[in-house]
Amino acid sequence: SQQGEEDPQALSIQEGENATMNCSYKTSINNLQWYRQNSGRGLVHLILIRSNEREKHSGRLRVTLDTSKKSSSLLITASRAADTASYFCATDIKGAQKLVFGQGTRLTINP
Amino acid sequence: SAVISQKPSRDICQRGTSLTIQCQVDSQVTMMFWYRQQPGQSLTLIATANQGSEATYESGFVIDKFPISRPNLTFSTLTVSNMSPEDSSIYLCSVEKGRWTEAFFGQGTRLTVV
Repeated sequence: SQQGEEDPQALSIQEGENATMNCSYKTSINNLQWYRQNSGRGLVHLILIRSNEREKHSGRLRVTLDTSKKSSSLLITASRAADTASYFCATDIKGAQKLVFGQGTRLTINP
Repeated sequence: SAVISQKPSRDICQRGTSLTIQCQVDSQVTMMFWYRQQPGQSLTLIATANQGSEATYESGFVIDKFPISRPNLTFSTLTVSNMSPEDSSIYLCSVEKGRWTEAFFGQGTRLTVV
């Protein structure tokens, strides 16, 4: 399967703590993207990191990319109850005009 | 950005019937994508819909089961044909404004087949 692996599959933390999710993939990429999905609704784009970038920040989000290990991580700092959602990584694969999604991490923030 | 209106948002259908899902974008886009998300699972690409040409289907998906129309640069439909309970899923349309950029998604159609 081309789909990447994400871990953990589920993560439950207290509000205010940091949440880290990891994504691994199998092929060469143009970029890697992270999305959030609330309760089976549409996906919302969070951040895009290109293959020649190693780290990117957006507000409370920090994404890293290690192309040698074919892996990425998403860090959400100072989590809030509203961050409760499923998070998916998606790889824009070289030579293919499509995104391939990972299995997702279900994040629960407990108040 | 792009705003996508997807209809219906949900439906309950009898097995053996067909449902057509509409996706309307607020701007012209070259590429539109249709995904299926089975319960508790990730997104799987069904097909890529390009205006003026036949849709390109991924392995495991066929045109007879999932016919797609793309009559212009702002609109597409996906039909789920001869439905069975195994087709119960969320179906999502998506667009990209340019190569190697982020995707924008509709709110999804939650389909239940009984």
